[in-house]
Amino acid sequence: QKEVEQNSGPLSVPEGAIASLNCTYSDRGSQSFFWYRQYSGKSPELIMSIYSNGDKEDGRFTAQLNKASQYVSLLIRDSQPSDSATYLCAVNQMDSNYQLIWGAGTKLIIKP
Amino acid sequence: GAGVSQSPSNKVTEKGKDVELRCDPISGHTALYWYRQRLGQGLEFLIYFQGNSAPDKSGLPSDRFSAERTGESVSTLTIQRTQQEDSAVYLCASSLVYSMNTEAFFGQGTRLTVV
Repeated sequence: QKEVEQNSGPLSVPEGAIASLNCTYSDRGSQSFFWYRQYSGKSPELIMSIYSNGDKEDGRFTAQLNKASQYVSLLIRDSQPSDSATYLCAVNQMDSNYQLIWGAGTKLIIKP
Repeated sequence: GAGVSQSPSNKVTEKGKDVELRCDPISGHTALYWYRQRLGQGLEFLIYFQGNSAPDKSGLPSDRFSAERTGESVSTLTIQRTQQEDSAVYLCASSLVYSMNTEAFFGQGTRLTVV
């Protein structure tokens, strides 16, 4: 069964520090990887997408992909209390007819 | 429209009643997805549309659930004879195309409560 795994947390990080969120996936055929942020009671919003090995930076956010090790991570630099949310990892798998497979999410708490 | 719009935002219904949930995708988005999210849980995939077609309906929880899409635009998710376990937030998302690299954008969801 194709799976996307995330530590449910909560992950507690002091304000200003780097928050590191990890996601592993089981299907080596996975091609596209997405990080979504979901505030409590709100719908998920796309933060970043990554398609090739290495790092992709966007402001305070950096996505890292390692297909050989089958993990994708999200780093948040200079963490702010407003970053407190659940972060969802989603993986698009070609042999699942491009269906997004979702992790259960990691709850991140940034402590002032 | 500017974003994915869902209606109603909240719905309270009595057990056994039918409900219809509506989703207006971003204009020009050909792919549309329905998900269910129970309180404190992850996203549960229900169904997707490519244009007006739903190639795979296996994610629908039971035959009480159905969905349709018309004009490659609006979609409705219908739940017949609602049960208490149907209580959840129903999320709709759309993307430009249904492909590997496409990015999906979510509506604000419909919170369904079956009493």
